[in-house]
Amino acid sequence: DVKVTQSSRYLVKRTGEKVFLECVQDMDHENMFWYRQDPGLGLRLIYFSYDVKMKEKGDIPEGYSVSREKKERFSLILESASTNQTSMYLCASSLSGGYLRYEQYFGPGTRLTVT
Amino acid sequence: GQQLNQSPQSMFIQEGEDVSMNCTSSSIFNTWLWYKQDPGEGPVLLIALYKAGELTSNGRLTAQFGITRKDSFLNISASIPSDVGIYFCAGHSGSARQLTFGSGTQLTVLP
Repeated sequence: DVKVTQSSRYLVKRTGEKVFLECVQDMDHENMFWYRQDPGLGLRLIYFSYDVKMKEKGDIPEGYSVSREKKERFSLILESASTNQTSMYLCASSLSGGYLRYEQYFGPGTRLTVT
Repeated sequence: GQQLNQSPQSMFIQEGEDVSMNCTSSSIFNTWLWYKQDPGEGPVLLIALYKAGELTSNGRLTAQFGITRKDSFLNISASIPSDVGIYFCAGHSGSARQLTFGSGTQLTVLP
């Protein structure tokens, strides 16, 4: 079974703090993704990565950055947290070849509250 | 960007009943996926569909890739309490960089 883990299930941070969300997958997947999930807005893609040290902006990258130094690990960084970044953050991974690249496997999520 | 219309938004059903939900798009999709999300957890992949007209089952769940390639359907037979959760559709079209997700159907199963 694919396992995607996220460093924290719940996180409370103050406005202006730098926040790191970590994601690790154990299935040697090339692709990794960060989404945020908000009521009524569904899942929105923040950033994704096709390979180590590669990253591409998703639909809502503003206020976020990412890092992928190792294949299994993809980090989401909030440089200066703001209250409008309070959300559920979901990490996902997938293989890169053929149809399987669309089958994304998600972690349990990190519920971030910025006060 | 592309949008998926998922309906209904919520459903309240009695245990043992069958459930149907669907997802529609204004453009043609070449892949449809169905996920379930339990409260406080990440989405779990239920079924993936890759061909128009394809019908695929996973236990009591059956999903279909519409022949127009603009819709997909998920059916749950004989619902049980653990079916409670949010069901998401997701799709991919050739022009998109990544998956597009529906807004979800919240399912409540009443005893």
